[in-house]
Amino acid sequence: DAKTTQPTSMDCAEGRAANLPCNHSTISGNEYVYWYRQIHSQGPQYIIHGLKNNETNEMASLIITEDRKSSTLILPHATLRDTAVYYCIVAYSGAGSYQLTFGKGTKLSVIP
Amino acid sequence: DTAVSQTPKYLVTQMGNDKSIKCEQNLGHDTMYWYKQDSKKFLKIMFSYNNKELIINETVPNRFSPKSPDKAHLNLHINSLELGDSAVYFCASSRRGQGASGYTFGSGTRLTVV
Repeated sequence: DAKTTQPTSMDCAEGRAANLPCNHSTISGNEYVYWYRQIHSQGPQYIIHGLKNNETNEMASLIITEDRKSSTLILPHATLRDTAVYYCIVAYSGAGSYQLTFGKGTKLSVIP
Repeated sequence: DTAVSQTPKYLVTQMGNDKSIKCEQNLGHDTMYWYKQDSKKFLKIMFSYNNKELIINETVPNRFSPKSPDKAHLNLHINSLELGDSAVYFCASSRRGQGASGYTFGSGTRLTVV
């Protein structure tokens, strides 16, 4: 079962920042927060992940609260191509192979 | 250069038939997976293989049988297809040690059982 809670859907105006929240109140100390997205009819795509510090890459930023019970994925300048379902996933990281457990995700619609 | 490729992309077949879906990855990953996405859009893992060895086998009917002839290939054979098997099946691969950030998914096979 997924360990995260996300809003079912969100809208964002094109060019504005999209902030996607995720609650993971039962996260354990060595679990990471991962974000994937699935654009219509395609396979999921990795976006970003973090443990407790904020992270940024060319796609997005990840803000994790100090108690690690929630996080926010930020797409700084949303485009129409960012319309997708965004999944927040909690999982371990390390030497093993990891099973990604997907929840329902947030359907983000970027509006022109 | 497709990293994870699945064939066929679409598959329409009648109930009771046996069909196979093939998956190949050219990323040098050592772990491969099959996921099923049903009509409600839930993505659920079915199987995982590491170096040709089955490591994850979720509650899936025995009619589903994965086969991994080598690290780069993971095929899914389905016997006696049922209407409820209609879904999109995604293959994925990763490398041990990369954690959950290293997954690469294929583009999916849409199976329709009529």
